[in-house]
Amino acid sequence: DTGVSQDPRHKITKRGQNVTFRCDPISEHNRLYWYRQTLGQGPEFLTYFQNEAQLEKSRLLSDRFSAERPKGSFSTLEIQRTEQGDSAMYLCASSLAAYQETQYFGPGTRLLVL
Amino acid sequence: DQQVKQNSPSLSVQEGRISILNCDYTNSMFDYFLWYKKYPAEGPTFLISISSIKDKNEDGRFTVFLNKSAKHLSLHIVPSQPGDSAVYFCAASAGTSGTYKYIFGTGTRLKVLA
Repeated sequence: DTGVSQDPRHKITKRGQNVTFRCDPISEHNRLYWYRQTLGQGPEFLTYFQNEAQLEKSRLLSDRFSAERPKGSFSTLEIQRTEQGDSAMYLCASSLAAYQETQYFGPGTRLLVL
Repeated sequence: DQQVKQNSPSLSVQEGRISILNCDYTNSMFDYFLWYKKYPAEGPTFLISISSIKDKNEDGRFTVFLNKSAKHLSLHIVPSQPGDSAVYFCAASAGTSGTYKYIFGTGTRLKVLA
């Protein structure tokens, strides 16, 4: 049973560098979500895709952030010119599109910006 | 603007007793509610959900209650087991508004004492 996978699990980078994270959803799932979680908070929505179309973006997603899902399967989240405030756990989730759906989360990528 | 609130940051319960975790929400458009469990360094794991047309949903030791008039939901775990020790997040979505993202609370850390 393959769940949602994310790579890398941990990333340490210096301020100003670019980083890219990958998410592989559950194979038959057509929706894919990105969330960010900081210490003491719940996950916060960043963006989501239905197949390859990016349908919603949060105001949290500044212009330094870009996400893609080119073939409607895996997705990448890139952060350009990282800042210390970008340090967080980045979570990916996938679901089968439905009016009331359950999202299944990956293990997350923990980013530390020095 | 915290639309989903978990006012108890932590809860300790003796093994075998009932654990009750609470969640309040403000957005009357929310129509689907979920509980997730999260262990350190892992992604959230889905536990149980409830649609706004119901007031109770049960799955094994877990029961979720929804009081729409009070905008309140609760998760009951009976009997509590040491393996239940984790952070619990409630989440809500508003599919009728055409958005499927989840809004999460800040979490309650449950500790089940052996």
